[in-house]
Amino acid sequence: DQQVKQNSPSLSVQEGRISILNCDYTNSMFDYFLWYKKYPAEGPTFLISISSIKDKNEDGRFTVFLNKSAKHLSLHIVPSQPGDSAVYFCAASAKNNNDMRFGAGTRLTVKP
Amino acid sequence: GAGVSQSPRYKVAKRGQDVALRCDPISGHVSLFWYQQALGQGPEFLTYFQNEAQLDKSGLPSDRFFAERPEGSVSTLKIQRTQQEDSAVYLCASTPVRGWIGDTQYFGPGTRLTVL
Repeated sequence: DQQVKQNSPSLSVQEGRISILNCDYTNSMFDYFLWYKKYPAEGPTFLISISSIKDKNEDGRFTVFLNKSAKHLSLHIVPSQPGDSAVYFCAASAKNNNDMRFGAGTRLTVKP
Repeated sequence: GAGVSQSPRYKVAKRGQDVALRCDPISGHVSLFWYQQALGQGPEFLTYFQNEAQLDKSGLPSDRFFAERPEGSVSTLKIQRTQQEDSAVYLCASTPVRGWIGDTQYFGPGTRLTVL
């Protein structure tokens, strides 16, 4: 039962353009959402998060948008840089719950 | 300072063997988590410790999986009688606070287990 889905296994964009990574969830109890970035042979590293009381959170080149009615969130990277090439995981959790659910990841390739 | 470390980084086991995977969290971190990441999938929660207490083991897939953190620092994930479906990357994460707060969860590089 996949409660967090990333339907695009890969995405390729040109350097300087916008990268948009999408994530859908099914559990309406989720109230905290995160994006992690993972390079090969390394563990995931936290990138940005958003609480369900917000619909947008911005940190430099990274912005996460949350649409609760659609149970959808997205990560925007503007402008994309070759160093952004990595696998991006969407994750979600419910308050007071240790069980964080991850999507399967999207591999982003930013071409110079 | 040092991050979360895991050893070994790679482990090959024959089906039926027992394995032990080690996690050294960041010094002073209260909470420790284990995840299993199958090929092409995201990490899946296995178990959670707060200091030495295992507060949640709901994600352990079978009774062949056992985790401990006897002194509230280093943790070991043990898999008995390994099966091919146990092949995955096992990730450890720690946080400085009780329970998890996602943006302060620090992951180790993982142990890639291959069961032949």
